[in-house]
Amino acid sequence: NAGVTQTPKFRVLKTGQSMTLLCAQDMNHEYMYWYRQDPGMGLRLIHYSVGEGTTAKGEVPDGYNVSRLKKQNFLLGLESAAPSQTSVYFCASARPGIQYFGAGTRLSVL
Amino acid sequence: EDKVVQSPLSLVVHEGDTVTLNCSYEVTNFRSLLWYKQEKKAPTFLFMLTSSGIEKKSGRLSSILDKKELFSILNITATQTGDSAVYLCAVYPNDYKLSFGAGTTVTVRA
Repeated sequence: NAGVTQTPKFRVLKTGQSMTLLCAQDMNHEYMYWYRQDPGMGLRLIHYSVGEGTTAKGEVPDGYNVSRLKKQNFLLGLESAAPSQTSVYFCASARPGIQYFGAGTRLSVL
Repeated sequence: EDKVVQSPLSLVVHEGDTVTLNCSYEVTNFRSLLWYKQEKKAPTFLFMLTSSGIEKKSGRLSSILDKKELFSILNITATQTGDSAVYLCAVYPNDYKLSFGAGTTVTVRA
């Protein structure tokens, strides 16, 4: 029972490079979320989706884009990475109600 | 702007002690309050509270919500070293998005 799976687990980028983080859930949840977690700041919502083909901005969306082409997948893209995007990224899914989290992606931008 | 404030930010206790964590909130349309435990990786769900005055329990953990005074507490009795973690409080101000507090770091010493 996989739940919410994030890939990759770790990544190091140079400033200006691009990358995509993948989130996959097997619980048939409607809602999916991307958060970033920085020391002392809790979890901050980047973007979210309330269903296949829909996306919406969260609290800190600048510098990120997302897509939800399939219900089970939610992609987070960084078009031109900046050092300020060094963080741990968590994906979550919900029915709605309780949010279930993936194991996180640790991203460093040099 | 929705606000979730947790206190204390951190605390250190000895095994067997009782711990009380606080979460206060200001949101426009309260739906529910959730508690999560975060060890090294993904936050894991503990409790969801929607009604005032009804205590939820799971083993040595319990939580209660006061919707009049806009706060919740999480109690951990007879603490063990395995309780060492960051405890996160989050509130649904609508049906879609969780607003998280910064978390309380609990360290339990043997």
